Amino acid sequence: EPEVTQTPSHQVTQMGQEVILRCVPISNHLYFYWYRQILGQKVEFLVSFYNNEISEKSEIFDDQFSVERPDGSNFTLKIRSTKLEDSAMYFCASSFGQGNTGELFFGEGSRLTVL
Amino acid sequence: DAKTTQPTSMDCAEGRAANLPCNHSTISGNEYVYWYRQIHSQGPQYIIHGLKNNETNEMASLIITEDRKSSTLILPHATLRDTAVYYCIARPRGGAQKLVFGQGTRLTINP
Repeated sequence: EPEVTQTPSHQVTQMGQEVILRCVPISNHLYFYWYRQILGQKVEFLVSFYNNEISEKSEIFDDQFSVERPDGSNFTLKIRSTKLEDSAMYFCASSFGQGNTGELFFGEGSRLTVL
Repeated sequence: DAKTTQPTSMDCAEGRAANLPCNHSTISGNEYVYWYRQIHSQGPQYIIHGLKNNETNEMASLIITEDRKSSTLILPHATLRDTAVYYCIARPRGGAQKLVFGQGTRLTINP
């Protein structure tokens, strides 16, 4: 069964460092998303991406964040200068998005720890 | 997006049917009801969705009231592996529409 894959599963970084989280969405999907979940809190929407541009972003997704689909298969989330409060699980999701098949499929997440 | 209301937690005995309620009294005509679950800290897992008709798949059944103001997710024979947080989400039709997660219901299946 096709699945969304994310790397790394866990990354530890120093405050102020740049981090790139990578995702390989399901191959025929058209819509891509990043979510995050701070420990003990709810899953929060960050950004959605379609046709090589951002469709929607939350207020969490400030200038420190960026997304890219560099090669038609990977979908990346970059955090330019990490802060302690960026420590969280980051989930990538994708959907086919047409008709009644709009369900999102999530990866297993990348745990980011900022020290 | 319509707000949904779910109980904070529920318990169910292994082998019994787990019935998880959700209220979405302000749901609009173009919003689907989606159910997801999250086992421990894993990625949310899609379960089922529907608009107004009842739906069934290999994981669960979804019963939506005729006025669409509430729904029930039914896990027919709960197992210990069904212990998770279950999210009921009202989501507009349309390709890029995001899912907005609430706090969900923490379902514990007891042996």
